[in-house]
Amino acid sequence: EAQVTQNPRYLITVTGKKLTVTCSQNMNHEYMSWYRQDPGLGLRQIYYSMNVEVTDKGDVPEGYKVSRKEKRNFPLILESPSPNQTSLYFCASSFLTSGGQIEQFFGPGTRLTVL
Amino acid sequence: EDKVVQSPLSLVVHEGDTVTLNCSYEVTNFRSLLWYKQEKKAPTFLFMLTSSGIEKKSGRLSSILDKKELFSILNITATQTGDSAVYLCAVEAFRSGAGSYQLTFGKGTKLSVIP
Repeated sequence: EAQVTQNPRYLITVTGKKLTVTCSQNMNHEYMSWYRQDPGLGLRQIYYSMNVEVTDKGDVPEGYKVSRKEKRNFPLILESPSPNQTSLYFCASSFLTSGGQIEQFFGPGTRLTVL
Repeated sequence: EDKVVQSPLSLVVHEGDTVTLNCSYEVTNFRSLLWYKQEKKAPTFLFMLTSSGIEKKSGRLSSILDKKELFSILNITATQTGDSAVYLCAVEAFRSGAGSYQLTFGKGTKLSVIP
């Protein structure tokens, strides 16, 4: 089954304790991205990756890092989490249709609380 | 800066009603507009629109794009309680700074269908 998986699904942590949220897709997609979703702000892109070893900042990259060592995995790293990073995080994997447009599949989400 | 505005932000209707959700956008280098449905989990893809005036239909849902007036509508007829969700609109546009196509999301319309 084609899917995007994220782990963990829920996480409560404390300020400053490094954490990683994993994302994996089994569709051989080249394009992957991370979003955070906050009430009243919608979905905002944190980082994206166009292929292995190719990553770039989205709209809200501060406080986050990513890596793309293999096509299927795109982990999100918070080196020193802060309470303002409490949010719902989505990983997404995309491909270009034959018509040249993006179709995007989302992971199930990770709810992160930073105390 | 690319902008996507959805209205209304929230809507409550009775089962059987017809609703129209709006999405307007201001982007440069537009390529496509996408609609998603988000229940208590990740967004799921509904429609992708690229051409003006061509309606896309899926059951009771339909959507159309007006590239001249820069908006799209999502119609839901004979609403059911299962239609209760947040509906997200996203616009795909080329960002010259990033050198790639990116998605910008609106904040969503929360639809509540009551029996």
